[in-house]
Amino acid sequence: SQQGEEDPQALSIQEGENATMNCSYKTSINNLQWYRQNSGRGLVHLILIRSNEREKHSGRLRVTLDTSKKSSSLLITASRAADTASYFCALRGNTGNQFYFGTGTSLTVIP
Amino acid sequence: NAGVTQTPKFRVLKTGQSMTLLCAQDMNHEYMYWYRQDPGMGLRLIHYSVGEGTTAKGEVPDGYNVSRLKKQNFLLGLESAAPSQTSVYFCATNARGYQETQYFGPGTRLLVL
Repeated sequence: SQQGEEDPQALSIQEGENATMNCSYKTSINNLQWYRQNSGRGLVHLILIRSNEREKHSGRLRVTLDTSKKSSSLLITASRAADTASYFCALRGNTGNQFYFGTGTSLTVIP
Repeated sequence: NAGVTQTPKFRVLKTGQSMTLLCAQDMNHEYMYWYRQDPGMGLRLIHYSVGEGTTAKGEVPDGYNVSRLKKQNFLLGLESAAPSQTSVYFCATNARGYQETQYFGPGTRLLVL
């Protein structure tokens, strides 16, 4: 399967703490993207990291990519209750037109 | 700009009935996709299109058909609904290119009894 696998499946933290979620995959990629899904809504793109990049920042988000280990992590710093959502990684290969989504991490931030 | 819209938002069908889900986008994107989302299984690709008049199968195409007669619309059809097709369906679009990101519609919740 070309799907990403995420862990943990669920994460519960206190407001102000950092949240880290991981994505592992098996194929070669062009880039890896992270998306967020609020309950009952569609997915929203957060950040994209290319295969030749190791780290990328966007506001309170930090993404790392280790292509030798075929893994990526998403760090959300100083979490807020509004960060409560599901987070998905999506793999983009070097051929084809498909995105391969992981099964997601459900994050709950307790006020 | 409305972005990506889906019609209807919610539908209940009886086994064997047919229906069509409509995805419309005003972003002028070439690529459009239909996914289904089931608990614990993430998003699974049903069918996709890389341009007007073209369609291709994804990971779980059985029981579904699609059409892309206009660039801005992508239709997903269920000819004979089954309880296993109870799911939340999402449409997504993106521009051409590997560095592009997907834009999602709000989803259609389908219950097949």
